[in-house]
Amino acid sequence: DIQMTQSPSSLSASVGDRVTITCRASQSIINFLHWYQHKPGQAPKLLIYAASSLQSGVPSRFSGSGSGTDFTLTISSLQPEDFATYYCHQSYSTPYTFGQGTKLEIK
Amino acid sequence: EVQLVESGGGLVQPGGSLRLTCAASDFTFSTYWMSWVRQAPGKGLQWVANIKHDGSDKYYVDSVKGRFTISRDNAKNSLFLQMNSLRAEDTAVYYCARVYMGVFPTHFDYWGQGTLVTVSS
Repeated sequence: DIQMTQSPSSLSASVGDRVTITCRASQSIINFLHWYQHKPGQAPKLLIYAASSLQSGVPSRFSGSGSGTDFTLTISSLQPEDFATYYCHQSYSTPYTFGQGTKLEIK
Repeated sequence: EVQLVESGGGLVQPGGSLRLTCAASDFTFSTYWMSWVRQAPGKGLQWVANIKHDGSDKYYVDSVKGRFTISRDNAKNSLFLQMNSLRAEDTAVYYCARVYMGVFPTHFDYWGQGTLVTVSS
C-alpha cells in the first residue's frame, strides 16, 4: 500500500497568513494526488486535483504543486472560512490512501 | 447541482449487518465510477470500495474484503454498500463519493453528507 504522510498534523494561523501543507508519498504517484477540505458535519470538498489543477468554483488563493513523491497545498491569504481539516489523497493505485489530515486552526 | 444522499446508517451489534444506500441525482449516474469512503470518530478519511460505472469491476480495502459488498442499480441511480460481520472498528461516518474519470479513475469530485454507522453491543 502507498503511505501518505502529511505535515504538519495541526497548524495555528491568522487571517491573511500564507499557509503551506505538505504531503509525501511512500513511492512515486506521478501526479495522482488530490487535496480536500473537510469541515465537521459537512461533506468533504475537492480543492485541487492532479496535484495542481484547481477544481471549478474553488477560490484562486488555493494552489497545489509537486510531482513524484512530494506535494504541497498552499493557501495564499487565509480567510475565516478556510479553517478546517485538509487531506491529501492518492489515486495512483488501490487501495487509495489519504494523509492523516492537517487541522488548520485560528491563532 | 450534483447530489449524493446517503441513508441506512444506525446502531448495530457486532457481527450484525447493515445496508447503506446512496441516492444520486442531477448527473448521468450510469457513466461514473462510484466509491464509499469512511471516517472513524476522531480519525482521518479511509477509502473503502470502488465500483466501475457498469458494476463489472469492484475494489476493496483489505480490512473489509469478504465482509462488505459494493453494488449499484443504474436504473434507480443508486449505490449500495452491504456490510456483514460488522466489527467495532467499522464504526464511522460513511460517505458516498463520485469518482472523476479521466483515462483512469482519479479523484472524488462530489461527496454526500455521510451516514453514521455505530457497531456496539
